[in-house]
Amino acid sequence: GENVEQHPSTLSVQEGDSAVIKCTYSDSASNYFPWYKQELGKGPQLIIDIRSNVGEKKDQRIAVTLNKTAKHFSLHITETQPEDSAVYFCAASSLEQFYFGTGTSLTVIP
Amino acid sequence: NAGVTQTPKFQVLKTGQSMTLQCAQDMNHNSMYWYRQDPGMGLRLIYYSASEGTTDKGEVPNGYNVSRLNKREFSLRLESAAPSQTSVYFCASSPMRGAQETQYFGPGTRLLVL
Repeated sequence: GENVEQHPSTLSVQEGDSAVIKCTYSDSASNYFPWYKQELGKGPQLIIDIRSNVGEKKDQRIAVTLNKTAKHFSLHITETQPEDSAVYFCAASSLEQFYFGTGTSLTVIP
Repeated sequence: NAGVTQTPKFQVLKTGQSMTLQCAQDMNHNSMYWYRQDPGMGLRLIYYSASEGTTDKGEVPNGYNVSRLNKREFSLRLESAAPSQTSVYFCASSPMRGAQETQYFGPGTRLLVL
């Protein structure tokens, strides 16, 4: 099956700086890559996703890039704010099942 | 719309007890899922239901059973709880079961088995 690795496991940035979270996957058949944000005590919420026919997608301060050849994709958050502090999960969808990374705990220091 | 709702929010069980976790969605989605979340392991699929009337095993189905009661509701049952089942359980739904279908998650049920 698919194997998704996510790095780093924890990340601290100063408010206003950028944050980058990276994921790699193993199954070349994976073709959908969502990113979820999970705040303390809540369920994961989709923040952005990308499909395999697209290399980059941006939504305001959030962007995702995909390199199919290298089998990795990344989440970029610019101009970070304290409310961006949360756990972020990547996922890769292969054969109709989601495989999740182990999460990155992001702390934005005011 | 409430989206995906789960009950209860918290539960403490003794080893060997049984319980059912309830999940409902009001988005008219066809597919529903049950995940467990453990520290350092991300989310792992327990069971899913691609459509009303069907259920299938996911990555970690042992010790669980599910029922797709109707299109809206999908329940997860622990027949004889074990401490290894201490976890946070999330229900999710998607319009269809497919590789590019976004899944929407509920708020979770926190289960402690003593």
